[in-house]
Amino acid sequence: EAGVTQSPTHLIKTRGQQATLRCSPISGHTSVYWYQQALGLGLQFLLWYDEGEERNRGNFPPRFSGRQFPNYSSELNVNALELEDSALYLCASSRGEVYGYTFGSGTRLTVV
Amino acid sequence: AQSVTQPDIHITVSEGASLELRCNYSYGATPYLFWYVQSPGQGLQLLLKYFSGDTLVQGIKGFEAEFKRSQSSFNLRKPSVHWSDAAEYFCAVYNTNAGKSTFGDGTTLTVKP
Repeated sequence: EAGVTQSPTHLIKTRGQQATLRCSPISGHTSVYWYQQALGLGLQFLLWYDEGEERNRGNFPPRFSGRQFPNYSSELNVNALELEDSALYLCASSRGEVYGYTFGSGTRLTVV
Repeated sequence: AQSVTQPDIHITVSEGASLELRCNYSYGATPYLFWYVQSPGQGLQLLLKYFSGDTLVQGIKGFEAEFKRSQSSFNLRKPSVHWSDAAEYFCAVYNTNAGKSTFGDGTTLTVKP
């Protein structure tokens, strides 16, 4: 089966611009999670979507937002980019809490 | 709130030697616990999980972990390390109420030839 796919692999943006990151979960997985992995800060929970609804969000400002589409793919939008938004953004999908996550390879966002 | 502590930031072992990576968690209810591995520039891969039953769980790549409720620990072990095991390892606890996993800060494993 195809894994979790994320696009683009790399993204370079200028401070103040907007970035859009995309994620396609494994077929049959309805939950999508977004995490930020910044250097020295570990994995920080951003957002959880399930069945098209936002179920929970982490301690991030409102300029981090997203959505989940009817086919369960998801989009993460980051507005008004700041230098400290530079990080690896990881998307994961799951078919249930006891099964753990399957992660994509991530999108490396660089803000200059 | 739940939390995960991985006390060792970096561990170096010789190829063929045994390995133990430590993980301590804080969570009020029975935890769902996971170990993941991340190779450079890649996403995380699930190694193994525990949510009930036998406290010694087997995972992929020859890894195992033991859940000890009394010590709030979930340490990862491997009897004989291979050079390809060099990576970063993350322990995580899933919060069923919040619907998210909290990850430790990771342990980087270096394998000496």
